[in-house]
Amino acid sequence: GENVEQHPSTLSVQEGDSAVIKCTYSDSASNYFPWYKQELGKGPQLIIDIRSNVGEKKDQRIAVTLNKTAKHFSLHITETQPEDSAVYFCAAATAQGGSEKLVFGKGTKLTVNP
Amino acid sequence: NAGVMQNPRHLVRRRGQEARLRCSPMKGHSHVYWYRQLPEEGLKFMVYLQKENIIDESGMPKERFSAEFPKEGPSILRIQQVVRGDSAAYFCASSEITDTQYFGPGTRLTVL
Repeated sequence: GENVEQHPSTLSVQEGDSAVIKCTYSDSASNYFPWYKQELGKGPQLIIDIRSNVGEKKDQRIAVTLNKTAKHFSLHITETQPEDSAVYFCAAATAQGGSEKLVFGKGTKLTVNP
Repeated sequence: NAGVMQNPRHLVRRRGQEARLRCSPMKGHSHVYWYRQLPEEGLKFMVYLQKENIIDESGMPKERFSAEFPKEGPSILRIQQVVRGDSAAYFCASSEITDTQYFGPGTRLTVL
């Protein structure tokens, strides 16, 4: 089955710097790659997603890139702010019989220092 | 425009008791997914349901766990005879057809 690896597990940056989180996946049939932000005690919140027919997607300070050949995708956050501090999860999905179950990475704890 | 709702938010059970977790999907969503999150871990898929049907239960433990999504009312994840290893956060997500999944706030189950 699908396996998603996420790096780094922790990331500390200064306010205003950029943060990059990388994920690799194993199943070449995966075609949907969302990113979620999870704050302490809360549920995961979708921040951006990308499908396999697109190489890059941007939404204000957040961007995601996808390299299907290498089977990896990355989250880029520019001009980081303290409120960006949270745990970020990447995921991959393969539609199988109508089920797009998500396979998650283990998460990256991002700390933005003021 | 209410999001995905889960209750209870916190649930404490003693070993051997039953736990019932409820999930109401977003309005208009007919697909429900359940995930389990252990401390310091990512989320693990458990089961995918549509109204009155289990579509994919490949992540569900073979014993003690069951899920349903009746025609009326919320989806229920039921854990019988809980053990300490069942302590985790359980999240439900909903989607419209097979599209973006939106998560609820979770139920944090503690087994004493």
